Amino acid sequence: QQQVKQSPQSLIVQKGGISIINCAYENTAFDYFPWYQQFPGKGPALLIAIRPDVSEKKEGRFTISFNKSAKQFSLHIMDSQPGDSATYFCAATTDNYGQNFVFGPGTRLSVLP
Amino acid sequence: EPEVTQTPSHQVTQMGQEVILRCVPISNHLYFYWYRQILGQKVEFLVSFYNNEISEKSEIFDDQFSVERPDGSNFTLKIRSTKLEDSAMYFCASSEVRTGGGQYFGPGTRLLVL
Repeated sequence: QQQVKQSPQSLIVQKGGISIINCAYENTAFDYFPWYQQFPGKGPALLIAIRPDVSEKKEGRFTISFNKSAKQFSLHIMDSQPGDSATYFCAATTDNYGQNFVFGPGTRLSVLP
Repeated sequence: EPEVTQTPSHQVTQMGQEVILRCVPISNHLYFYWYRQILGQKVEFLVSFYNNEISEKSEIFDDQFSVERPDGSNFTLKIRSTKLEDSAMYFCASSEVRTGGGQYFGPGTRLLVL
């Protein structure tokens, strides 16, 4: 119930292409879904986040699509750039005391020049 | 831009030794967290801390672990008697609000237990 599944495990995209990473969850109590970007040797950095009351959120080239009924959400990176090459983690948490984030296993994205 | 800082960046220790990992959260944040990431694996929650007490902890956070906020700025994770399997990257994070806002992660401390 506490798991967040993420796919694909790795992704290779050409420069300018669209990168799509998918996540799915079971716990319907989750109500906050952030995406984190992690470069090698660095800590995860908050990229974009969504709440289940909206179906889509866009910030620059990054868009989260959220399907509450399917319990799925995805990250779309438009016009992918080599600088986007990193590991991406989706996460989920509940609006309760403590805010334990459950992370997905990560997707290693490589954007080819 | 304010950021979470962590020291040391790397720590090598012998099995059975105590280690203290230090973090300085973002100054106006009230909620603090420790996570670990074993090499190549996902980030795992260890503990959250608010109002000078633990608010939630995972199964990983057993009696060997403790956290403390010894002063107004530092937040520490102590591992009393390190084991080989404690080797990992340890991330501190902080957030301004309990929910609805992102957690901001530090750069991590790479702990190697020999």
